Amino acid sequence: EPEVTQTPSHQVTQMGQEVILRCVPISNHLYFYWYRQILGQKVEFLVSFYNNEISEKSEIFDDQFSVERPDGSNFTLKIRSTKLEDSAMYFCASSGIGTPSGANVLTFGAGSRLTVL
Amino acid sequence: QKEVEQNSGPLSVPEGAIASLNCTYSDRGSQSFFWYRQYSGKSPELIMSIYSNGDKEDGRFTAQLNKASQYVSLLIRDSQPSDSATYLCAVKRAKANNLFFGTGTRLTVIP
Repeated sequence: EPEVTQTPSHQVTQMGQEVILRCVPISNHLYFYWYRQILGQKVEFLVSFYNNEISEKSEIFDDQFSVERPDGSNFTLKIRSTKLEDSAMYFCASSGIGTPSGANVLTFGAGSRLTVL
Repeated sequence: QKEVEQNSGPLSVPEGAIASLNCTYSDRGSQSFFWYRQYSGKSPELIMSIYSNGDKEDGRFTAQLNKASQYVSLLIRDSQPSDSATYLCAVKRAKANNLFFGTGTRLTVIP
């Protein structure tokens, strides 16, 4: 079964350092997403990406964050200068085009746990 | 008002019983509704999607949607210990591709 692959599974970094989280979406999917989940809290939307540009972003996705699709397979999330409150699990997701009966369904990767010290 | 609200639980049911999970949403224009299951430390895993009013059944799971009441529910019949997890309600608003998640309901099935 096709899956979304994320690396690294866990990253520990010092406050103020740059972090890049990587994702390989399902190959025929067209929409890509980043979500985050702070421990014990809900899954929060960060950004969606379609046709090589950001299609939507939340208020969490400020200037410290950026996304990129550097080649035909990878989708990355960069945090320029990490803060303690960026510690969370970051999930990448992808989806195809919706069917006539309903919306496109998101498939999530296993997540990248970011710990900022 | 929160986008998506769920009864936070925790909910405990004995093995073999029916577990009932509820969700309400604020955007009346929302079109698509999803239930995800999340085991501790793992990613959300899709259980059911529902787009039309009424019931949708898949094995032991039944999703119910009432757009007039802005209400979605998930019933799990013959609950098993392996169903113990947090269940996330997710809603796709009109003119958006992303999902808004509720805080989740933690379900424990007691053997």
